[in-house]
Parts: sequence; C-alpha cells; structure tokens
Amino acid sequence: AQRVTQPEKLLSVFKGAPVELKCNYSYSGSPELFWYVQYSRQRLQLLLRHISRESIKGFTADLNKGETSFHLKKPFAQEEDSAMYYCALGETSGSRLTFGEGTQLTVNP
Amino acid sequence: DSGVTQTPKHLITATGQRVTLRCSPRSGDLSVYWYQQSLDQGLQFLIQYYNGEERAKGNILERFSAQQFPDLHSELNLSSLELGDSALYFCASSRLGGRNYEQYFGPGTRLTVT
Repeated sequence: AQRVTQPEKLLSVFKGAPVELKCNYSYSGSPELFWYVQYSRQRLQLLLRHISRESIKGFTADLNKGETSFHLKKPFAQEEDSAMYYCALGETSGSRLTFGEGTQLTVNP
Repeated sequence: DSGVTQTPKHLITATGQRVTLRCSPRSGDLSVYWYQQSLDQGLQFLIQYYNGEERAKGNILERFSAQQFPDLHSELNLSSLELGDSALYFCASSRLGGRNYEQYFGPGTRLTVT
C-alpha cells in the first residue's frame, strides 16, 4: 500500500536561513509526487509537482527514487513561508492523493 | 482563487443528525474528490466521482455517501453523526480523472458535531 511520511511535525527556522522539509514515500508503482501548502487552515494550494520541475516561490523539490524521497527545499526562508506543508503521492490509477501528516513550518523574524 | 466552491462554510449539528455538504467544481472539471481533514487522522481521501460515476473509494464510512449530479456538482451526505466526525471536509476537482491533472481544492466545510 502507498504511504507518505513526513518525519517532522514542526519545523522552526529563522528568516534567511535554509529550510528543508522531508518527505519519504512507499509505493510499488511509478510515483507522482506533489507538495501542497495550507495557510492558516485555508484551502490547500499546489506548491509544486515533481513532473513539472518548476521552482515556485523559491521552493524546489527533487524526486530521489533510490532513497524514495521528495524533500522540499528553499535556500532563504521568508516569514510569509510560515504554513503547513503536505507532501502527497498520486497513484498510477490517477485517483486519490495520499497525504503525509504535514509539517508546520514557522519562520521567525 | 481556484474556482472550487463549497457550502456551507461552517456547520454545527448534534450527534445522530444528518448533514449534506455541497461542492461545485471549477468550470470544465469533470472529476470531484472528497477529503476529510481531522486533527487525529490528518488528510484522508474519501471518494472520487468522474462525470457522474463513482471512480474510487477511500476511507469512507458506511454512514457517509456521496453523489455527483448531471451539472457536475457533488454532495457528501453524512448521517448518524458522531463526535469523531467533526473535521474539515475538502472538495477538490480536476479536469479529468488521471493523476496528470492537478487537483484544485475548495475552501472546505468545517463540521462540528456536539
């Protein structure tokens, strides 16, 4: 069965510091990985997906199939990055998203 | 704004009652997904509809049911409500049903069961 693990529930960094939010997955098929962001319990917004290889708001994520990881990185964190971040796995069949438990990022001034 | 709308925003009801949550997908989207977000279970997939037909089922209780109507809006019915059903219920939509199509989320309906 598919599974997404985000080992850190809480992550706190200072403004300007690098940040890395960890995500590991377990899936027997070819994975489609996403990062979603949720500000103050509002709607989830897609931040990026591995297939597009884009950089959104300075965030990047690389799919490492060997380590089954899809860590989210940003070289210089900003206060407005404070939010809940969810890593999600899309199944081959194309229906459900399986979400990790989420990491609450706080960027301190 | 993603274009997915959900009503009502908030719902407070008593145990044993039945409620209906409504979702209107983005214009042109054929697929609708329902997710439950609770403090103890996190974000969990409930059910997906595609062009009126049930496509996939997740951790949806038998007390819950859903449908998608010809105009593509969807309703999630929750019955015999329990305290543990208190959660944020999100609807998402995508152009088609495949995973290559981004899911756009609505603002959610916050259900409180007292």
